[in-house]
Amino acid sequence: DTGVSQDPRHKITKRGQNVTFRCDPISEHNRLYWYRQTLGQGPEFLTYFQNEAQLEKSRLLSDRFSAERPKGSFSTLEIQRTEQGDSAMYLCAIGAGVRTYGYTFGSGTRLTVV
Amino acid sequence: GENVEQHPSTLSVQEGDSAVIKCTYSDSASNYFPWYKQELGKGPQLIIDIRSNVGEKKDQRIAVTLNKTAKHFSLHITETQPEDSAVYFCAAVTGTASKLTFGTGTRLQVTL
Repeated sequence: DTGVSQDPRHKITKRGQNVTFRCDPISEHNRLYWYRQTLGQGPEFLTYFQNEAQLEKSRLLSDRFSAERPKGSFSTLEIQRTEQGDSAMYLCAIGAGVRTYGYTFGSGTRLTVV
Repeated sequence: GENVEQHPSTLSVQEGDSAVIKCTYSDSASNYFPWYKQELGKGPQLIIDIRSNVGEKKDQRIAVTLNKTAKHFSLHITETQPEDSAVYFCAAVTGTASKLTFGTGTRLQVTL
């Protein structure tokens, strides 16, 4: 148990379909992040929430991507009109604590677009 | 933006030997450097970190060193064990969002 639950763990979808992922931190954390990891690479920053406010978005986050954190607790990441290039692991992370900048990552959602 | 380079990409050591992974970063404003271990099918797990005002930190068999002048930091694992086999990522944190920029990872294999 990492302290961050992500659902689903795996998602296979056809190109052009919409998908939504969910991230549930077990306890309250102000900072919540989404990262994307492709095979053989390190995670890349997508977006960041401070409570319910989305404060920063990467250029990787095209118009087809949208993220929300409606009550400052769980978060969702939606991808519209999926493309094969969207295939990746999508990782959610929360601030690991007040004395560190470190994150606690969830186990991720692996998306395969066919 | 920040750029983090990591070497080597793969590392094979015998059980009991030491392993060293090296990273360099580009942004002098980076102030925090965590290391993550990622096992197959799991998210990255924080194993050790160091802040820019510290030169070295140790936690049992794991140590990290930081050279701010050279913009270089390293992970040292001593007395390696088979369960140390995984992919290791270095990262640097910059900016008010404290977002991480990761290296490309090192696949460590500890053989018996």
